[in-house]
Amino acid sequence: EDKVVQSPLSLVVHEGDTVTLNCSYEVTNFRSLLWYKQEKKAPTFLFMLTSSGIEKKSGRLSSILDKKELFSILNITATQTGDSAVYLCAVEDNNAGNMLTFGGGTRLMVKP
Amino acid sequence: EAQVTQNPRYLITVTGKKLTVTCSQNMNHEYMSWYRQDPGLGLRQIYYSMNVEVTDKGDVPEGYKVSRKEKRNFPLILESPSPNQTSLYFCASSRISGSSYEQYFGPGTRLTVT
Repeated sequence: EDKVVQSPLSLVVHEGDTVTLNCSYEVTNFRSLLWYKQEKKAPTFLFMLTSSGIEKKSGRLSSILDKKELFSILNITATQTGDSAVYLCAVEDNNAGNMLTFGGGTRLMVKP
Repeated sequence: EAQVTQNPRYLITVTGKKLTVTCSQNMNHEYMSWYRQDPGLGLRQIYYSMNVEVTDKGDVPEGYKVSRKEKRNFPLILESPSPNQTSLYFCASSRISGSSYEQYFGPGTRLTVT
């Protein structure tokens, strides 16, 4: 059974801080790992990672995958209050079509 | 505008009364999926569909049915809802192929079964 564990469960920081969110996984036949941001509505897509060691970057957010150690990190630099959200990590299993298994999420609160 | 729509957005019903939550996408996506989101359990997949007339069970399919008669629609059916199906439900769609996998989520349906 595929499994995704995210840490920490929640995090409170101040504006300007840098945060690192962790995602470890077990999957039968890895296809991709995805990060989503969820505010008070449906999740929105951030990154898809398929190869180890290649950093994906979008503004202040970046993410990298380690397929040997089975984890990914999501970094947010110079955090802003608008970054406050739940960040979800999911893995896609090649053996199960596009089936995604989600982690429980990390709740980030950025205080002014 | 590319979007996934769900209806209703909020529903309160009683145990055993059949209900359907509709999901529709306007992006010609092959893949559609239903998730439920519960506190402490995160997002769990109920059913997914790779294309018209092709559906498969996700992690938590018990108590649910789906159908995919048209590419744009993927309704979720609860034949006999029970209180443990009280949850927040999301429909999502994406393309099957291609290097960019962006799954679009609907706005969510909050279901309460009493």
